[in-house]
Amino acid sequence: DAKTTQPTSMDCAEGRAANLPCNHSTISGNEYVYWYRQIHSQGPQYIIHGLKNNETNEMASLIITEDRKSSTLILPHATLRDTAVYYCIVRPYVGNYQLIWGAGTKLIIKP
Amino acid sequence: ETGVTQTPRHLVMGMTNKKSLKCEQHLGHNAMYWYKQSAKKPLELMFVYNFKEQTENNSVPSRFSPECPNSSHLFLHLHTLQPEDSALYLCASSQEREKLFFGSGTQLSVL
Repeated sequence: DAKTTQPTSMDCAEGRAANLPCNHSTISGNEYVYWYRQIHSQGPQYIIHGLKNNETNEMASLIITEDRKSSTLILPHATLRDTAVYYCIVRPYVGNYQLIWGAGTKLIIKP
Repeated sequence: ETGVTQTPRHLVMGMTNKKSLKCEQHLGHNAMYWYKQSAKKPLELMFVYNFKEQTENNSVPSRFSPECPNSSHLFLHLHTLQPEDSALYLCASSQEREKLFFGSGTQLSVL
């Protein structure tokens, strides 16, 4: 079973900020939170990751709660091309190479 | 060319055929992965190679046979597949357990 919980689907108006939540209440101290997205029939694309501090890059911002049990991915100005399935994953930086993918959140950007 | 390249992009094969999927990464990464994505299902990790050595094999049937001749190339040899093996097969690479870079995938149909 996936170690994260995400809403099945979300809508967002074009030009507005899209806020995608993720619950990872059983996260361990050595696990990072990663976000990927998958546009239909393509390979997933890395977006951002973090351990405990908030992170920002050219694609998005990642807000991690102080207890690290949940996080939010923020796409500041959503465009139609941001329509995709967004996956939140926890991954240890030591140990095996396993990654458990859940069903993700289907984000639909509406004009 | 940069990134992760997969060939072929589409493949149709009969149950008695033998075919191979190819993956090449130009990122200098030391880990390579095969994932399977069936319709409406999460990504399933099949195999992981680290420095050409197989580190993960998630109980994949023997009709799927991976090969990693060097850190840049990964193959998935297919023989006597079943219709339920029809799926999107994704290759990925990473530097250690850092972010994954995916190819565009091979859409496989088994008739």
